[in-house]
Amino acid sequence: AQTVTQSQPEMSVQEAETVTLSCTYDTSESDYYLFWYKQPPSRQMILVIRQEAYKQQNATENRFSVNFQKAAKSFSLKISDSQLGDAAMYFCALYINAGNNRKLIWGLGTSLAVNP
Amino acid sequence: ETGVTQTPRHLVMGMTNKKSLKCEQHLGHNAMYWYKQSAKKPLELMFVYNFKEQTENNSVPSRFSPECPNSSHLFLHLHTLQPEDSALYLCASSHRLGRSTDTQYFGPGTRLTVL
Repeated sequence: AQTVTQSQPEMSVQEAETVTLSCTYDTSESDYYLFWYKQPPSRQMILVIRQEAYKQQNATENRFSVNFQKAAKSFSLKISDSQLGDAAMYFCALYINAGNNRKLIWGLGTSLAVNP
Repeated sequence: ETGVTQTPRHLVMGMTNKKSLKCEQHLGHNAMYWYKQSAKKPLELMFVYNFKEQTENNSVPSRFSPECPNSSHLFLHLHTLQPEDSALYLCASSHRLGRSTDTQYFGPGTRLTVL
């Protein structure tokens, strides 16, 4: 079975500091994708960053980067120079691109607070 | 944030009511999804449509009935709901199901309260 685990229900960071959100996953498939989504309070879920499993290079998007450790099945999100607008619920998700079970599998989320 | 819209944003209904949630996407996508988001639980995929055809029903109770008249619109018809159905219902769309580079784009959700 495929699973996604986010072990930190809540985290906080000082404005301008760096924070890392952890995510581990489990799958026996080789063709999959990993995502981090952000859901600000009362606002839409938006894609933060995406990683293809076949790529060794870690994905980056401006202040957001991932540390993808395929052997360890770990996919952490690093937010640099944190801003007040980064406060949100962050969800890690796994997409299996195989067979008839192609869907996103979600973690429980990490609530990130940014302190001024 | 206006690529996927959902109406209403908030809905309160009694257990005997019939109501519908609407989702519209303006992204030219062909796949649409309904999710249920409850506190302390992972997002639950409810239904998937690809080119207007339902491709997935994740054992959702029949009191939830989806409808996809075209690739831009998705409805969720509700009847005789239970209080435990209270949740945030999210709609999402993507280019098409199974495409390896697909990414889902979400609407703002409908906050449903069943009394």
